[in-house]
Amino acid sequence: GAVVSQHPSWVICKSGTSVKIECRSLDFQATTMFWYRQFPKQSLMLMATSNEGSKATYEQGVEKDKFLINHASLTLSTLTVTSAHPEDSSFYICSATALGQGATEAFFGQGTRLTVV
Amino acid sequence: AQTVTQSQPEMSVQEAETVTLSCTYDTSESDYYLFWYKQPPSRQMILVIRQEAYKQQNATENRFSVNFQKAAKSFSLKISDSQLGDAAMYFCAYRSAQGAQKLVFGQGTRLTINP
Repeated sequence: GAVVSQHPSWVICKSGTSVKIECRSLDFQATTMFWYRQFPKQSLMLMATSNEGSKATYEQGVEKDKFLINHASLTLSTLTVTSAHPEDSSFYICSATALGQGATEAFFGQGTRLTVV
Repeated sequence: AQTVTQSQPEMSVQEAETVTLSCTYDTSESDYYLFWYKQPPSRQMILVIRQEAYKQQNATENRFSVNFQKAAKSFSLKISDSQLGDAAMYFCAYRSAQGAQKLVFGQGTRLTINP
């Protein structure tokens, strides 16, 4: 199946700094990528939908100035957590759907565990 | 907005036995997709099975099968011959067939396999 690579797998940063997480589709093109956040023992909550070449669509309650999303190509989307604080510590997961009609399966990255100290 | 509900936070089953995980959803749409994802301790999301709403036949993938009841908006997952490697969090998810392809997840069910 298709592969989505997310990097880094884990990161520890100091409060007030920014962290960038990359999501790449390795063997397919994805016009749309999704960013989810997962707290311990909870489900995945959609943060934003990332569209290649256009602004991301954020879910209600997600601060777009804090979680910057860039989708510059059909294979790469990035999530930057700006001025991170301990409450931003979480597990972040991206997913992508292959380009083309009829594509139904979403492929997930391995996730990034962010710890802000 | 669509919602997905998994009413069983935890389930356990004896190895080699059969277990059924429940999922209900709410939507006004007629065309959509339903999924079951597995999330093992590695936290990598793995697609277990997929069902297209327009198909009446229940999807099956080896030991995994679903009971899709469209009128009741129910989508349960049956795991037969449970194996130790089946232990994981299982998420039911909904995706509209139109517009954005975002997934709406249920709360998850933690499945434990007892040897």
